[in-house]
Parts: sequence; structure tokens; C-alpha cells
Amino acid sequence: NAGVMQNPRHLVRRRGQEARLRCSPMKGHSHVYWYRQLPEEGLKFMVYLQKENIIDESGMPKERFSAEFPKEGPSILRIQQVVRGDSAAYFCASSPGASTYEQYFGPGTRLTVT
Amino acid sequence: AQSVTQLGSHVSVSEGALVLLRCNYSSSVPPYLFWYVQYPNQGLQLLLKYTTGATLVKGINGFEAEFKKSETSFHLTKPSAHMSDAAEYFCAVSLNTGGFKTIFGAGTRLFVKA
Repeated sequence: NAGVMQNPRHLVRRRGQEARLRCSPMKGHSHVYWYRQLPEEGLKFMVYLQKENIIDESGMPKERFSAEFPKEGPSILRIQQVVRGDSAAYFCASSPGASTYEQYFGPGTRLTVT
Repeated sequence: AQSVTQLGSHVSVSEGALVLLRCNYSSSVPPYLFWYVQYPNQGLQLLLKYTTGATLVKGINGFEAEFKKSETSFHLTKPSAHMSDAAEYFCAVSLNTGGFKTIFGAGTRLFVKA
């Protein structure tokens, strides 16, 4: 039973480019959470999604960031026109349902903006 | 607002010594509490969790934590540190907001001296 998969593991983008981060939840999990970890800081909640629905995006920056979790395929976190301050590790977690408190984390994608 | 405070961004112990990592939380509802460990350039691994029931919980690698409601604390301990315990440790609280959003502390980096 594979765990949460994230790709790419490392992503380098120049300022102004777009970054797409992918997360495949564990088999049977229909809930996905995205977190951002800035250097030397803890993880900060960004967004919570179910299949085809955004449930809570209270942690998402208002501009340039978007997330989706389509009916088929992985969840995507998209960052448009990246800036140096977007450099961070982005972690995805999944859970089987809304009533399940335990989340399983992926290995993260480390985004570097040059 | 819910929050998690980890006292001490860096803790250094000698190999074989007691490990004590402090965590205090604030929550308006009974929380679910977690400790995660993160090794360099890796994702988060769950050490232990408290949901309900026994307030002393045991986790992997010899770690344990005690939930003290009166002190709003959930400190992590291990009787005897190993070199392999050197890592970043995060205390977290999960809140049911229609899904379980996890709030993380800023982390404590544990150093183990030979």
C-alpha cells in the first residue's frame, strides 16, 4: 500500500514562472491537505480539498496560488508568477474522510525560486 | 484562536540523557494532539498521538507524551537519547473544522552529543 506520493521532489523555477506541484493521496483517501514550510519554520496550513471541492482555503495566499483535486488524477497546487518568497517545502497530507483526524504526509516538494 | 507553542527552538542533550521537548497548546475544544519527527530533507513521520482515554501515550522509538489538560501541555519525553534521535520535532493540534486542519508548532531541533 503506497503512501502519499508527491512530485516532483525538487523543483527550480525562475521568478515569474509557474510551479505545479502534484500530490497523489493514499489509496482509498479522498481528502487532501496542503501545507507550506518556510525555512526554519513549522508547517502552515494552506488548503483542504475533497474530490472536486475546496473545503477550506483559509491559509491560501489571496493571489497567485490555487489548488484543485479533480475526480481523476492527483491534487495540484499551482503557483503562478513565482517570487523568491515562495521558496519553501510544500507538503501534502491525505486522510480517508472528514471525520478522521489522522493525516498521512507525503515527502514534500522543495521549491526553489531563483 | 487555536495555537501551539513549542518552548525552545533548539535543545541539546548528551547521548543517554533524558529528552524533554515542551509543547503547550490553546484550544477552545478538546484537541487531538500529535508529535511528528522530521529528518533532514524528508517528510513528517508520526511519533504518537492523543485523542481520548489514557493521558500518557506511547509512540515509536521509545518516545512518550503526557496530556495534561490543566496545564494545556503535551510534552514529549524519552528516557535515554540516541544519536539517531537528532531531528526536528513538531507538536501539532488537529481541529475539526469540517475536516481536520492541523496547526503545527514552530518545531524544536534536537541535537544529541556523543
